[in-house]
Amino acid sequence: AQKVTQAQTEISVVEKEDVTLDCVYETRDTTYYLFWYKQPPSGELVFLIRRNSFDEQNEISGRYSWNFQKSTSSFNFTITASQVVDSAVYFCALSDPYGGGNQFYFGTGTSLTVIP
Amino acid sequence: ETGVTQTPRHLVMGMTNKKSLKCEQHLGHNAMYWYKQSAKKPLELMFVYNFKEQTENNSVPSRFSPECPNSSHLFLHLHTLQPEDSALYLCASSQAPGELTDTQYFGPGTRLTVL
Repeated sequence: AQKVTQAQTEISVVEKEDVTLDCVYETRDTTYYLFWYKQPPSGELVFLIRRNSFDEQNEISGRYSWNFQKSTSSFNFTITASQVVDSAVYFCALSDPYGGGNQFYFGTGTSLTVIP
Repeated sequence: ETGVTQTPRHLVMGMTNKKSLKCEQHLGHNAMYWYKQSAKKPLELMFVYNFKEQTENNSVPSRFSPECPNSSHLFLHLHTLQPEDSALYLCASSQAPGELTDTQYFGPGTRLTVL
């Protein structure tokens, strides 16, 4: 069965520190996609990145980087030089297309607080 | 308006009330979703509509009734709710349901409190 685990419930860091958010997934599918979303206090989930199961290259976007390792079923997210605006809940998700629709499996989220 | 919008943003209702949540997507997408987000729990998928047809109903109680009149609008009709139904209700939309690259885009949610 598909499952996404975010073991870190809450993390606090001081501004400018680097922080890594862990995501471990389970799936029997060989083809799937992984996602990260950010949920600021306003409530809206903001799409950050999509990664397919065949592409294990790390990706960097500004201060954000993602490390996908199929061997350990992990898709970790690192924020470099954190800022107060990074404070939010971050969700990792796994997509499992079926029939005519997509089933997304979300983790329980990691609440990140960046202290000024 | 751009993206996915939801109204109202906050709603307080009694257990005997009837209310509706509205979602509208301005992205030209073909699928729309309702999720429930409770504290300390993963997001729960409630309903999925592809091309206006309901394709998923994850054992949601009948006191929640979805309606999708067209690909851009999605409603969630609420009646005789329970206090445990208090949560953030999120609407999402996506372009190509069933395709691996499909990505869901979310609205800001409606914070529902049932007294």
